[in-house]
Amino acid sequence: GQNIDQPTEMTATEGAIVQINCTYQTSGFNGLFWYQQHAGEAPTFLSYNVLDGLEEKGRFSSFLSRSKGYSYLLLKELQMKDSASYLCAVRGSDTGGFKTIFGAGTRLFVKA
Amino acid sequence: DTGVSQDPRHKITKRGQNVTFRCDPISEHNRLYWYRQTLGQGPEFLTYFQNEAQLEKSRLLSDRFSAERPKGSFSTLEIQRTEQGDSAMYLCASSSKGSDTQYFGPGTRLTVL
Repeated sequence: GQNIDQPTEMTATEGAIVQINCTYQTSGFNGLFWYQQHAGEAPTFLSYNVLDGLEEKGRFSSFLSRSKGYSYLLLKELQMKDSASYLCAVRGSDTGGFKTIFGAGTRLFVKA
Repeated sequence: DTGVSQDPRHKITKRGQNVTFRCDPISEHNRLYWYRQTLGQGPEFLTYFQNEAQLEKSRLLSDRFSAERPKGSFSTLEIQRTEQGDSAMYLCASSSKGSDTQYFGPGTRLTVL
């Protein structure tokens, strides 16, 4: 079966660093995505990993270990506007590799 | 680049009625996806188009759901004989050939009374 696990909620302080973990079990692997979704809005793309290692993009970094079925999203210098849900999504390699499975999301609360 | 647009943004209907939603992808994007999202959950894959061809459809999708992309540009998602369990946000996303990034539209929020 296909399954993506991530924590339901996390709370962190403005200016701090937070790491959101994601573990997955999918039929094949063709890339892992992180999306940010503010309440009532559509998801917006943050990062994409297909090879093992760390991808850094400004305050956001994403790490992937394919052998462990594990990824994390690292947010540095947290700002209040970072309060949102963070969705981990995996694209499998079966059926042509088009289907993307999303986790339920991690709701991040940034407090002052 | 005007982004992905969806119409309507909100739809309230009575159980048993048919509804149709429209998605206009980013103009040069040949790939189009439909998802359904309920409160507290991530988007759930419904179907995928490459140009006008529907290449995959979720096994979770009942026969009451159908999607088309007749000219490889805009797409429609129709739900027949709506049920209260169909109440959700219906999201459309598009991506270009050779790119892995899906750009989402604002969604259509469906409420079935």
